[in-house]
Amino acid sequence: NAGVTQTPKFQVLKTGQSMTLQCAQDMNHNSMYWYRQDPGMGLRLIYYSASEGTTDKGEVPNGYNVSRLNKREFSLRLESAAPSQTSVYFCASSETLPGQPNEKLFFGSGTQLSVL
Amino acid sequence: RKEVEQDPGPFNVPEGATVAFNCTYSNSASQSFFWYRQDCRKEPKLLMSVYSSGNEDGRFTAQLNRASQYISLLIRDSKLSDSATYLCVVGSRTDKLIFGTGTRLQVFP
Repeated sequence: NAGVTQTPKFQVLKTGQSMTLQCAQDMNHNSMYWYRQDPGMGLRLIYYSASEGTTDKGEVPNGYNVSRLNKREFSLRLESAAPSQTSVYFCASSETLPGQPNEKLFFGSGTQLSVL
Repeated sequence: RKEVEQDPGPFNVPEGATVAFNCTYSNSASQSFFWYRQDCRKEPKLLMSVYSSGNEDGRFTAQLNRASQYISLLIRDSKLSDSATYLCVVGSRTDKLIFGTGTRLQVFP
């Protein structure tokens, strides 16, 4: 029972490089999310997807793009990485739609990204 | 004012102690309340939802006070394995889930 799987676990980039973080869930959940977590700050929502084919901006979308490839997969792309994007990134999924009561999130194990 | 505020701690308590955390929220229209647990360098995991009437799960009790806009988490008979960061999470129909910065608990022998 894998739950939410995200790759890679660690990544070091140089400023200006691009990369894609992959996320897949096997729980048949409708909603998927990308968060970043920085020291002294709560998890902040980057983008989310309420269903296959739809994506919406969260609190901190600048510098990122996402793709909801199918119901299982939701990827996050950094087109031109900046040091300010050094963070821990978490993918999450939920059975319910965003904003619904009992919106319980299941998280992947995270990606530690460093941009030099 | 932050939307969801928590005392960062750390709370250092001996095994067997009872410890309580509070979390305040600013949006009076909030309707969903949760406590998540996050171990060091790991992903957050749902600990429990918080219901209006309060709810209990083993040694853990969660309470909601809508009038004062805070939720609480009480842990009885603390175990070493309870050492973690506890995240308060609040949601509303119009806002996505808002995470607090977390309260760190350290239980010592």
